[in-house]
Order: sequence, then structure tokens, then C-alpha cells
Amino acid sequence: ELKVEQNPLFLSMQEGKNYTIYCNYSTTSDRLYWYRQDPGKSLESLFVLLSNGAVKQEGRLMASLDTKARLSTLHITAAVHDLSATYFCAVEKGSNYQLIWGAGTKLIIKP
Amino acid sequence: ETGVTQTPRHLVMGMTNKKSLKCEQHLGHNAMYWYKQSAKKPLELMFVYNFKEQTENNSVPSRFSPECPNSSHLFLHLHTLQPEDSALYLCASSQATGTGTDTQYFGPGTRLTVL
Repeated sequence: ELKVEQNPLFLSMQEGKNYTIYCNYSTTSDRLYWYRQDPGKSLESLFVLLSNGAVKQEGRLMASLDTKARLSTLHITAAVHDLSATYFCAVEKGSNYQLIWGAGTKLIIKP
Repeated sequence: ETGVTQTPRHLVMGMTNKKSLKCEQHLGHNAMYWYKQSAKKPLELMFVYNFKEQTENNSVPSRFSPECPNSSHLFLHLHTLQPEDSALYLCASSQATGTGTDTQYFGPGTRLTVL
């Protein structure tokens, strides 16, 4: 059974600091996604990672994938308050369109 | 604003009521999904439709009944719900390929409260 674990589940940090969110998954998968959810809002797609060693960057966020270690990271550089949100990773299960989701990391960035 | 809309945005219902949630996608996708999001739990996939055909039903109780009349519309019919069914119900769509799915795009959700 495919399981996805994120850590930490909660993170409070100061503006300007760097930090990394981790996403581990238990079985082989071809695709990994990162999403963002603001309070009371829906999920917004950030990145899709398709292959081992894939790295994608958007602004202060950078995501990477190590399929051998079954690990993805979401790195935040010089955090700003606007990045406060809950971040989810999701892993594709087989080819039947299912995603298995992590529990989410609630990120609070304080001025 | 996403290309996936959901109505109503909020719904309060008693356990004996019957109601329906509606989802519409304007992205030309061929797959649609219903998810349940409860506090402090991972997102739970409920149903998947690909080209109007249900391809997945993740052991969802029969009090939830999906309907997909075409690739752009998805409904979730609700009847005799329980208080533990209170949650945010999210609809999503994607372009499903033969080997997997592209990014799923989510609607704003329906916040359901069962009294």
C-alpha cells in the first residue's frame, strides 16, 4: 500500500529564513506533485516532478525528487509572509489516476 | 480563479435531508474527481470518472452517490448523512493520459455541515 508522509506537519518560521519540507513515500511512483492551500481556499498546483533528480523552481520555492530514496523536498528560500499556507505533496498511484496525499505541512511565516 | 467551479459553497443539512453538490470544469479535461477533506486528515479520494465512466470508488458509503452526465459536469448526491460526514468536499479535474494523469485542478470546495 502506497503511503505518503510529510514532515514537519507544522512549521513556524521567521521571514528571511530558509527551510525544507520533506515528503517520503513508500512504493515506487512515476509522478509527485506539490500543492499549496491557503486558509479557506482550494488547492493550487505548484510543481509536478516526473523523474529522478528533477528540480523545479518558482520564486522562493524549489522542489526536488529522488526516486531512489523515495523522497521529495520543498525548499523555501528567504521566506516571506505571503508563503504562509499549508503545503501538500501527492504521489501518483499506478495509472488509474489516483493520487495519494500527504497530511500537509502548515507553514506560518512571521514578520 | 480556477476553471473548476463548485456549488453550493456552503451547505448545512440534517441527517434526513437529500442534497446534491455540483461541479463544473471549463478546462476541457476528461477526468473528474471528488475528494473529502477533513480536519487533520489527508485528502481522501472518493470517486474518479474518466470520460464519464467511473474508474474508482474508494469504499465510499452508499449514502454518497456520484453522477457524471458528461466530461464537464460532476455531481455528488447526498442522503441520510452522518455528522462525521461534515467536511470540505473538493472537486478536481485533469487531463488523463493512457499512462497516468496530468496535474489536477481543484474547485473552491463545498463546506458541508451535517447536523
